[in-house]
Amino acid sequence: DAGVIQSPRHEVTEMGQEVTLRCKPISGHNSLFWYRQTMMRGLELLIYFNNNVPIDDSGMPEDRFSAKMPNASFSTLKIQPSEPRDSAVYFCASSSPSGGGYNEQFFGPGTRLTVL
Amino acid sequence: AQSVTQLDSQVPVFEEAPVELRCNYSSSVSVYLFWYVQYPNQGLQLLLKYLSGSTLVESINGFEAEFNKSQTSFHLRKPSVHISDTAEYFCAVIRTGANNLFFGTGTRLTVIP
Repeated sequence: DAGVIQSPRHEVTEMGQEVTLRCKPISGHNSLFWYRQTMMRGLELLIYFNNNVPIDDSGMPEDRFSAKMPNASFSTLKIQPSEPRDSAVYFCASSSPSGGGYNEQFFGPGTRLTVL
Repeated sequence: AQSVTQLDSQVPVFEEAPVELRCNYSSSVSVYLFWYVQYPNQGLQLLLKYLSGSTLVESINGFEAEFNKSQTSFHLRKPSVHISDTAEYFCAVIRTGANNLFFGTGTRLTVIP
């Protein structure tokens, strides 16, 4: 399997523009997670889905952020309008039920977003 | 809620020397504990985990961590580091039965030749 795929790997945009980050989870995984990594705040969970349904979006910073998972193989994280403080690395991760009490999360390579 | 503290943001160490990266957690319920490693420009990879059983867990590349419930710690150790161990290491905790991981702020390990 190719692992979790994220695109683009790098994104540079200007303040006020819409940004869409994309994620393809590992085939067969039924949970998908979006994280944000910054120097100041470290790794933060933004939102996660189980079976394409958003379960916990309490980490989404504000209404400018939205996430969707229209099917089991694709998710998007959208920021509209973007602001310089949104500059960060955004990671997507996926997991599947293992029956062992914990479902290991596999991380994508991340999207480095720079908002000028 | 759960939280993780990694007191050392940066740890420089000479090649072949031992290293310990500290992790303390806070939780009122039972948890699972993890160490993830992030190599430059890459995503996070699971290094090792404690779910139950033996409190000492090991990775395939020589790292080990010991779960200490009384001290609420899960320190990561390696007796002899290599240049290739240079990376950022994250301690994480998850409540048993839950899905969301809580990460520490990370420790950047730099191995000096």
